[in-house]
Amino acid sequence: NAGVTQTPKFQVLKTGQSMTLQCAQDMNHEYMSWYRQDPGMGLRLIHYSVGAGITDQGEVPNGYNVSRSTTEDFPLRLLSAAPSQTSVYFCASNIRGFSTDTQYFGPGTRLTVL
Amino acid sequence: QQQVKQSPQSLIVQKGGISIINCAYENTAFDYFPWYQQFPGKGPALLIAIRPDVSEKKEGRFTISFNKSAKQFSLHIMDSQPGDSATYFCAATLNTGFQKLVFGTGTRLLVSP
Repeated sequence: NAGVTQTPKFQVLKTGQSMTLQCAQDMNHEYMSWYRQDPGMGLRLIHYSVGAGITDQGEVPNGYNVSRSTTEDFPLRLLSAAPSQTSVYFCASNIRGFSTDTQYFGPGTRLTVL
Repeated sequence: QQQVKQSPQSLIVQKGGISIINCAYENTAFDYFPWYQQFPGKGPALLIAIRPDVSEKKEGRFTISFNKSAKQFSLHIMDSQPGDSATYFCAATLNTGFQKLVFGTGTRLLVSP
């Protein structure tokens, strides 16, 4: 199993550009989520999905869109990039969404918005 | 609003020493408390976790101490090794139909040889 994979690993955007961060998992997990990690702030939840076709907002959803058409994939779209979205983005998945489930994180995408 | 407060921000420990990282929370609805370990350039990975009805959990050199009445919990790393150098995040989970992880701000641990 590859686990949770993310592409690209690094990306530089100009303000106003749009892009999609890709996330895929091969563990047949129902639950997937996106976090951003900023210095001194830990990880914050952006959006999450409890299954194909079902998504919801997390703590910091503004400026981001998600969709979940398959169990495996959960892309994150930046509609119009802003410097405040410079961050490291992590995708994660867990099997059922119970409190005690282990969240499996991908390797991250480092995004810089100029 | 930071619901889980973590300290210290950084920590330097000599090889063989004890590393201690502390966390505090306010929301009594949290029902599970995991710790994640993150190496540079990698995603966080679950290290150890505890339920609130247990006061201590030990796995090898890693121990969580949990004080429900004080709403505090801590990670102790015994016999710290240079390979333990990483960033550690405490977290707390809310189950509202989806496991919502609320993370602390992280502690960067450096274990000197």
